Amino acid sequence: EDKVVQSPLSLVVHEGDTVTLNCSYEVTNFRSLLWYKQEKKAPTFLFMLTSSGIEKKSGRLSSILDKKELFSILNITATQTGDSAIYLCAGPRRDDKIIFGKGTRLHILP
Amino acid sequence: NAGVTQTPKFQVLKTGQSMTLQCAQDMNHEYMSWYRQDPGMGLRLIHYSVGAGITDQGEVPNGYNVSRSTTEDFPLRLLSAAPSQTSVYFCASSYSIAGLYGYTFGSGTRLTVV
Repeated sequence: EDKVVQSPLSLVVHEGDTVTLNCSYEVTNFRSLLWYKQEKKAPTFLFMLTSSGIEKKSGRLSSILDKKELFSILNITATQTGDSAIYLCAGPRRDDKIIFGKGTRLHILP
Repeated sequence: NAGVTQTPKFQVLKTGQSMTLQCAQDMNHEYMSWYRQDPGMGLRLIHYSVGAGITDQGEVPNGYNVSRSTTEDFPLRLLSAAPSQTSVYFCASSYSIAGLYGYTFGSGTRLTVV
């Protein structure tokens, strides 16, 4: 059965720390892996990864995909309180339905 | 550009009542989906549609109906609300094969069934 598993489920760090969020997936007919950030309302898109080993960056956030190990990480450097959110990983299944992991709830202490 | 519009934002229902959550997008997206989000459960797919006239079930379809008579609209119907349906509901749409284009989400509907 296709699944997306995120770890840790929750994480508390101090402002300025670097964090790594993990996402492993088992999805047949893999197309892409998606990362979203969810604050108070709807998830907002961060990254789409389709190729192994190619890092995508946006400011202090970066993400990379390992298609051989079926794994992706999301790194956030020099964290700020505004980075506090739920980070969701998602992947499309063989039938094009997108399934989400349970998310990592990140809390940044000032 | 409105994107994905969900209404209402909040709703309280009594057990056994029915209602429809509305979702509309103005981006000419083919793919539309409904998810529910519960604490510690992430987003779970209820129903989805790959185009007008075509719908299919997701992971948790029981108790919900959908239809897709136009490209723009994808309403979610609760026929007889149950407390287990208390959740936050998100509608999402995508231009084409969702895995290649990602999703745009609506702002959510917080539903409480008492």
